[in-house]
Amino acid sequence: GAVVSQHPSRVICKSGTSVKIECRSLDFQATTMFWYRQFPKQSLMLMATSNEGSKATYEQGVEKDKFLINHASLTLSTLTVTSAHPEDSSFYICSARNPTGRIPNYGYTFGSGTRLTVV
Amino acid sequence: KNEVEQSPQNLTAQEGEFITINCSYSVGISALHWLQQHPGGGIVSLFMLSSGKKKHGRLIATINIQEKHSSLHITASHPRDSAVYICAVRWGGGSNYKLTFGKGTLLTVNP
Repeated sequence: GAVVSQHPSRVICKSGTSVKIECRSLDFQATTMFWYRQFPKQSLMLMATSNEGSKATYEQGVEKDKFLINHASLTLSTLTVTSAHPEDSSFYICSARNPTGRIPNYGYTFGSGTRLTVV
Repeated sequence: KNEVEQSPQNLTAQEGEFITINCSYSVGISALHWLQQHPGGGIVSLFMLSSGKKKHGRLIATINIQEKHSSLHITASHPRDSAVYICAVRWGGGSNYKLTFGKGTLLTVNP
């Protein structure tokens, strides 16, 4: 149980275009979704926290107009990278908080990640 | 500044060896997580600790609250254990569920 499906796993896009990444909780209701960015050999950096039905809370230094987050339902959250540039190339991963907090995910279930390359 | 430090950054072992990865944090926490990230990037939660010790198969995680330190041990290591192991902490409690991550330890187990 407690699976988060993240799509796409890999995307290459042209500079200036927008890319949407989806995270879907398959068998539980994700009241809170976290979006992270990870550069090579670096730790995960939290970009924003989204709660179903409300606006996302962005971390300092993250442009909310560039990284649009929508959490319209308890099972789906999306991250849209708008007007992508090569410096946005990174690994993006979501994590859903599973309120039941049961084994084996101890309350946090991660997506499989999306590797974005902007050319 | 709330920090999470892991050591070593890289670890190479021979199959069968006992592995220890360490994590230290700067201030009090409500919970500490050990995560495993495979080469493809996917992350799996291994343990959540707030005190004491937990065991799951060949994996053992311990935490010392007074010393602000946790260790992840792997007994009888196997090449399939090769991955990045990440320590993450949740500061405080209440409705703040954000995690702060260490930089990870890259473990390579050779056959």
